[in-house]
This record gives sequence, structure tokens and C-alpha cells, in this order.
Amino acid sequence: EAAVTQSPRNKVAVTGGKVTLSCNQTNNHNNMYWYRQDTGHGLRLIHYSYGAGSTEKGDIPDGYKASRPSQENFSLILELATPSQTSVYFCASGGGLGGNQDTQYFGPGTRLLVL
Amino acid sequence: QQQVRQSPQSLTVWEGETAILNCSYENSAFDYFPWYQQFPGEGPALLISILSVSNKKEDGRFTIFFNKREKKLSLHIADSQPGDSATYFCAASAKGAGAKLTFGGGTRLTVRP
Repeated sequence: EAAVTQSPRNKVAVTGGKVTLSCNQTNNHNNMYWYRQDTGHGLRLIHYSYGAGSTEKGDIPDGYKASRPSQENFSLILELATPSQTSVYFCASGGGLGGNQDTQYFGPGTRLLVL
Repeated sequence: QQQVRQSPQSLTVWEGETAILNCSYENSAFDYFPWYQQFPGEGPALLISILSVSNKKEDGRFTIFFNKREKKLSLHIADSQPGDSATYFCAASAKGAGAKLTFGGGTRLTVRP
């Protein structure tokens, strides 16, 4: 079974609305990540976490918050969604034991459209 | 600015040919370079990786060539198959930066039968 799952898989939101994207992993990994993928930009890191209760800013954190309430779950929150946040969002997990050589395991993605 | 760049953005080869995907980087602190493969509708998955202490890494039909002096690397896919059609991302990380990866923009590979 898939070890990293995301919900919802597709989401349509209105400008100014609140959006929560959820991620669950059964790998028992310490590290979790949120990326957005846009054509020409590859994957860009939004927030990441080293364990339950911790969140760190990635390269493009503005307009996003993250929450890691447990080892398994990592959420990405858009408090005031804007059309520029229309994108495909990927969650990933990593063991955290390999240092900077850690393999990341990705979920299937969430396609978000902000109107 | 993009710290990891990939070229070409898209590449088409015939079945059986060798596909060559290029990657360059700016940060001298990068020492680990994984390549991820992504099929449409799926998340990326690790394909092959190399450390900066090596100049070549092979895994079956996939080979990474690494030139530290020029800050360039390339992924060679020998005997390309239609099933190799996917987007390939070059990524990089630096020791001491935790497990953060910086991704390039990707190369979309199409292998024609």
C-alpha cells in the first residue's frame, strides 16, 4: 500500500478562503516536507519538519503555514488563498537518519485551483 | 535565482538511443545529487544518486557523470525504452543543511517506439 497519502487529491478554493492540505505517512519517518510544483520551476520547498511538533520554513514559505501534530501527519495551511497559489502540492517523507543523503518518498500530489 | 538548472526542458529520442539529460549547479557546498523520476499523475521517485566524491555512478541502464570542477552532471539513459518516458529532476543537497533538497526545473523525456 502507498506509504505517503495526501488528501484531498483535487481542491477548488475561492480567493481569500482557508485551505488545508493533509499528508499521512506510514513509513515512521522523522522528516516530512511540503513542495509545490509549477512548470519550469520543478519542486520548491515550502515547509518541512524534523518530527512531531516541529516545523521549519523552506525556500518559499510566504502565505503558507504548516502543522505537524504527530509523527504520521503533516498539514499545509493556506489561511488566505490567492490565485498565485494554484499549483500541484506534494508531500514527502524521509527517514532522517541519512543526513543530507536521505531519500525522500513522495505522495501522489494534490491539485489546487484557487479561483 | 535557480541554484540547480536542467537542460533541455524537453527531449525526444527513439527507442534504443541514449538519452542525455544535463544538470548544473551554483552552490559549491552541494555534495549529494539525487535524480528523481516522475510519471504523469504521480509523485517523483528516487532513480539514482551520486556523491561529489565520485565522478560516475551506474545502475543498470542509468549512469550519472559528475564533473565537480565545472559543477555539472549528466544522466545518461542507455537503450531508452518507451517506459522511460517521464520527467526527470536533478536535485542537490549540502552537508550540514539537514535533508533539504534543491530541485532543478526538470527535463521531460519522450521515447518514441
